[in-house]
Amino acid sequence: DGGITQSPKYLFRKEGQNVTLSCEQNLNHDAMYWYRQDPGQGLRLIYYSQIVNDFQKGDIAEGYSVSREKKESFPLTVTSAQKNPTAFYLCASIGGHIQYFGAGTRLSVL
Amino acid sequence: GQNIDQPTEMTATEGAIVQINCTYQTSGFNGLFWYQQHAGEAPTFLSYNVLDGLEEKGRFSSFLSRSKGYSYLLLKELQMKDSASYLCAATRAGSYQLTFGKGTKLSVIP
Repeated sequence: DGGITQSPKYLFRKEGQNVTLSCEQNLNHDAMYWYRQDPGQGLRLIYYSQIVNDFQKGDIAEGYSVSREKKESFPLTVTSAQKNPTAFYLCASIGGHIQYFGAGTRLSVL
Repeated sequence: GQNIDQPTEMTATEGAIVQINCTYQTSGFNGLFWYQQHAGEAPTFLSYNVLDGLEEKGRFSSFLSRSKGYSYLLLKELQMKDSASYLCAATRAGSYQLTFGKGTKLSVIP
């Protein structure tokens, strides 16, 4: 089955810790995106990548970092500089101008 | 800049029809997406309008008026499983990036 896989489903971060959220797709899509969703808020764009080895900051990139070493993979690291990381994180990729989403990772702070 | 507005919450009765409105102010507007998102899950694609008019897809229809900066999603023969958030999102010409509204939480009651 083709799709976008995010892991883990739930993640807990301790103070001062960096954590990495995984996003893998087997849809052969070039462009991939990371969004953050807070209660009562729309999805806000963190980072996006249109091709391998290239990525751009979105609207709320501070405290986050990404890499795009392979077409299939676009991991997001939430660094200790992100002071309010608790949120639902969604990864997406584009096929035929439609964005398809993974099931999300819910990050909480211990 | 971009601004997308949609009602925060709506309630409708099973079997009825509901219309969820979305207004947008998007420079270089290209098209309007609607996604459905059940609580704690990934958004799923419902429709994409580029041209003015109504597009029907089963029980769901979506309308766009480019001159008025207005779209709506029409849900007919409501079912309990339609209880979800409905996200309106706009794209700009030359970009696949989506700018999302805050979503409309629809509750379907018996």
